[in-house]
Amino acid sequence: DVKVTQSSRYLVKRTGEKVFLECVQDMDHENMFWYRQDPGLGLRLIYFSYDVKMKEKGDIPEGYSVSREKKERFSLILESASTNQTSMYLCASSFGPSYEQYFGPGTRLTVT
Amino acid sequence: AQSVTQPDIHITVSEGASLELRCNYSYGATPYLFWYVQSPGQGLQLLLKYFSGDTLVQGIKGFEAEFKRSQSSFNLRKPSVHWSDAAEYFCAVVPSGGYNKLIFGAGTRLAVHP
Repeated sequence: DVKVTQSSRYLVKRTGEKVFLECVQDMDHENMFWYRQDPGLGLRLIYFSYDVKMKEKGDIPEGYSVSREKKERFSLILESASTNQTSMYLCASSFGPSYEQYFGPGTRLTVT
Repeated sequence: AQSVTQPDIHITVSEGASLELRCNYSYGATPYLFWYVQSPGQGLQLLLKYFSGDTLVQGIKGFEAEFKRSQSSFNLRKPSVHWSDAAEYFCAVVPSGGYNKLIFGAGTRLAVHP
């Protein structure tokens, strides 16, 4: 079974802090994604990566950056956390030409 | 604008009753279509997908969905709902030529009464 793990299930940070969310997949997938999930809005794509050191902006990249130094790991970075970044963050991965994405359990981030 | 619409935010059904969750999309060409389920505190799990061919697709957990091109719809159905089906359901599309970026609907939360 594909396994996508996220470093924390719950995280509380203060406004202005730098926040790192880590995602690891164990299936050698080329593609990795970061989404945020908010009630009534579904999931919105923040960034995705189709190869090591490659990244593309999604629909809502403002206030976020990403890093992919190794194929299995994709990090989401909040350079200076703000209260409007309080949300559920979901990581996903997929194999090359496949459109099926496998999701991690999510990190619920609260910024106070 | 390109979008995925799930008209029902909340649905409540009795255990054993049939279920239909609606999904409409607005893209010019037929996209690739998906239904995902999210149980409380969990990530998303793929229920089924449609790329081409037979417009009635079978998925896991007894779910099926029917693609109707004329209505731009991809509704999810289950003939008899179990209490464990209580969850949030998301319809998603990959637009034709959209690399493999999923566009999600807002979700439908399903409650099941005993």
